[in-house]
Amino acid sequence: NAGVTQTPKFQVLKTGQSMTLQCAQDMNHNSMYWYRQDPGMGLRLIYYSASEGTTDKGEVPNGYNVSRLNKREFSLRLESAAPSQTSVYFCASSNGVEQFFGPGTRLTVL
Amino acid sequence: GIQVEQSPPDLILQEGANSTLRCNFSDSVNNLQWFHQNPWGQLINLFYIPSGTKQNGRLSATTVATERYSLLYISSSQTTDSGVYFCAPREGKLIFGQGTELSVKP
Repeated sequence: NAGVTQTPKFQVLKTGQSMTLQCAQDMNHNSMYWYRQDPGMGLRLIYYSASEGTTDKGEVPNGYNVSRLNKREFSLRLESAAPSQTSVYFCASSNGVEQFFGPGTRLTVL
Repeated sequence: GIQVEQSPPDLILQEGANSTLRCNFSDSVNNLQWFHQNPWGQLINLFYIPSGTKQNGRLSATTVATERYSLLYISSSQTTDSGVYFCAPREGKLIFGQGTELSVKP
């Protein structure tokens, strides 16, 4: 039981490049989430998916898109990366009671 | 939306000491979780505690929902307890506080 997995672990992009962060969970959870964490701060919600086929904006959605590919997978896409998107990105899933987090992706945009 | 305040922001302990971390929140919640972010950045679930008291080894947590606060107790601290502790009440979605950064010295 791997829990929540994320790829890649690290990524460096140039301004304007695009990329997709992948997330998968094997706990059969309905809800999945993407957060970003900036230095010295808590986590802020970017987008979430309450169930397969639905997605909703969180606190900081600008510059991002998401896809809930199936019940297991929830991807986050940066279409045109900006230095302000340098951060650590966490994916999470929930059984409706507790949330469980992946290991994170450290993204640097130059 | 709900506001979350954690105190203290930083804490330095000698190994073996006890500590209490506090989380105040501004509105009623139906869920609250405590997490430990270790020095490698991993977020570890500590407690799901919407109300009452729970214990897990040297750690315990108490939430008094009617008074809008939660406490995390760490007893006999160890160097492996170092990291950042987040509380996250739930108002639809989890709302994270700024965290308490704990450093336990040998």
